[in-house]
Amino acid sequence: QVQLKESGPVLVQASETLSLTCTVSGFSLTNYGVIWVRQSPGKGLEWMGIIWGDGNTDYNSALKSRLSINRDTSKSQVFLKMNSLQTDDTAIYYCTRDLVYWGQGTLVTVSS
Amino acid sequence: DVVLTQTPPTLSATIGQSVSISCRSSQSLLDSDGDTYLNWLLQRPGQSPQLLIYSVSNLESGVPNRFSGSGSETDFTLKISGVEAEDLGVYYCMQATHAPFTFGSGTKLEIK
Repeated sequence: QVQLKESGPVLVQASETLSLTCTVSGFSLTNYGVIWVRQSPGKGLEWMGIIWGDGNTDYNSALKSRLSINRDTSKSQVFLKMNSLQTDDTAIYYCTRDLVYWGQGTLVTVSS
Repeated sequence: DVVLTQTPPTLSATIGQSVSISCRSSQSLLDSDGDTYLNWLLQRPGQSPQLLIYSVSNLESGVPNRFSGSGSETDFTLKISGVEAEDLGVYYCMQATHAPFTFGSGTKLEIK
C-alpha cells in the first residue's frame, strides 16, 4: 500500500540548513509527484513545493530563494533542503502524494 | 500567486445542521485542459490533512456523501449536509491549477 514517512532533525539552529527526507513505498517516484506542505503552530497549511514525476520542480514564491527539492528514485526518497532558517520556520513538515496519501508529519523547531 | 479567500474563518454548528464554506480565488481556476483544480481538505485535530473533494465536485473515495462541492472559475463552495461530530476540524480549499499551488486560510468548524 502507499505510504510516506518524513524524517529529519527535531531541532535546528537559526541560520542553519534544514534537511528532511520523505521515504515512500507502494509507488514509483517516476510516476507520481510528491508535495511538501508545512504548518506552523496554530496556523494554516502552507504549500511549499512539488517534485513532479518527471523530476521537474515548482516552489512557493516566498520560499523559492532558499528551498530545494530533490529525489533519489532508486531509494524512493524525496529530499527537502531549506537554508537560512528562522524561528518562524518552526513547523510540522508533511509530504504527500496527490493530497490523498500523507505522512504523519515531522515537527521541526528552529532555535535562536 | 493565486490567493484563495475562505469564509467564514470559523463556523459553529449543531449536529444535523447543514453548513457551507466559501472559497474565492483571485483568478480563474479553469485550466487550459478544461478541468478546474480546486480541492477541499479537512484537518482533524492532531491529524494529517485528508482530501475530501477534488476538481471542484468529485468526492474522494471513502468520503461520506454528506460532503459536496460546487462552483466554477473563481467562486467555490463546500457544503456539509447534516454535520456529524466527526466533522469537526479545519477545512481548507487548495488550488492546483496555477503553480505555485496555494491553500486558503482555513475554516474552523466547531460543534455546538
